[in-house]
Amino acid sequence: ETGVTQTPRHLVMGMTNKKSLKCEQHLGHNAMYWYKQSAKKPLELMFVYSLEERVENNSVPSRFSPECPNSSHLFLHLHTLQPEDSALYLCASSQGTGTVTGELFFGEGSRLTVL
Amino acid sequence: GENVEQHPSTLSVQEGDSAVIKCTYSDSASNYFPWYKQELGKRPQLIIDIRSNVGEKKDQRIAVTLNKTAKHFSLHITETQPEDSAVYFCAARIYSGNTPLVFGKGTRLSVIA
Repeated sequence: ETGVTQTPRHLVMGMTNKKSLKCEQHLGHNAMYWYKQSAKKPLELMFVYSLEERVENNSVPSRFSPECPNSSHLFLHLHTLQPEDSALYLCASSQGTGTVTGELFFGEGSRLTVL
Repeated sequence: GENVEQHPSTLSVQEGDSAVIKCTYSDSASNYFPWYKQELGKRPQLIIDIRSNVGEKKDQRIAVTLNKTAKHFSLHITETQPEDSAVYFCAARIYSGNTPLVFGKGTRLSVIA
């Protein structure tokens, strides 16, 4: 195990639902990330938190709302999503965003399907 | 901002042959270049990385080369094995306070036994 766990692993939701993805890291890292991975697309960075403060928000629609209550937990709250939001959502952690080498440790991902 | 291009998008090789994946980056300030491997249904994992103060780095059957002048770097896998089949992502990073990695689009490598 890499020490980064995500739940749920699979989620199916309608466009009017509200759901949340959860990520937990047991590596003592101080930075956590949400990435979106779609078919034939690169890993798209969505949000970065460093020391529980958001430091990056790559023009993500407001229907995605992150929350980082502490350095070990990260949530992605979802509401009124669109079918094109269906993708694999990967959480990752690293030791610091301000260093040149900051290996990302990924979770297994949450496969989201929006009907 | 940084932009990373990766080629080819798919690559098939016979077991035992070599595989080469190439990436280019746009920002000359980038100085850290990792490669991640993602097996089918699994999470991406770092397999090798290189910093701009060296031109080549090897780890058993894998190696990465960097040409800062041309702004490109490559992953070389020798004596490929079926377990090398995966999607490989290159990435680059600008050396500044809070700049995350920028990934390429990935290369799906298939090693045919």
